Amino acid sequence: DAGVTQSPTHLIKTRGQQVTLRCSPKSGHDTVSWYQQALGQGPQFIFQYYEEEERQRGNFPDRFSGHQFPNYSSELNVNALLLGDSALYLCASSAVGVGGYTFGSGTRLTVV
Amino acid sequence: AQRVTQPEKLLSVFKGAPVELKCNYSYSGSPELFWYVQYSRQRLQLLLRHISRESIKGFTADLNKGETSFHLKKPFAQEEDSAMYYCALSGIYSGGSNYKLTFGKGTLLTVNP
Repeated sequence: DAGVTQSPTHLIKTRGQQVTLRCSPKSGHDTVSWYQQALGQGPQFIFQYYEEEERQRGNFPDRFSGHQFPNYSSELNVNALLLGDSALYLCASSAVGVGGYTFGSGTRLTVV
Repeated sequence: AQRVTQPEKLLSVFKGAPVELKCNYSYSGSPELFWYVQYSRQRLQLLLRHISRESIKGFTADLNKGETSFHLKKPFAQEEDSAMYYCALSGIYSGGSNYKLTFGKGTLLTVNP
């Protein structure tokens, strides 16, 4: 089992650009959550997808959007990138009703 | 609002010494508490959760609802325990989608030889 896979692993973008990050959940998992981890901080919840719908959302602006596909994989989109969006973006999956998320290795986004 | 506080950013102990990583939480309702660990250059991984009451790699944690704490303990630290440790909480599943995880800022544990 490959666990949670994220792509790409690293990304450099310019301010104002748009970016798409991808996540494939662990086999058997149907819920995908995205987190932002700034340097020296714990992961911050962005949003969660279940049954192809956004179910919960953290305190992030509308520039952050997402999608979940029928195969449970997910995308995180960020528009109009700011320098402050530079962070490690983590994807976590779980099976509904079962606690304890499994995390991917993350995508390191650098905005210059 | 739910909040997790890990008061120590850094903790350094010697091999064989006991270790305790502190975690306090705030949550209106019954939370589920977790400890996640991140070893150098590895992904975040679940260490233990209070509901399962397991002991993983010699670590234990007891949920104290009166003190709203979930401290992580190990009687004899090993060098391979050096890592970043995050305390996290979520609601207990009651239907619908799973609850989100709220993390503390983490404690970097260094075990010296």
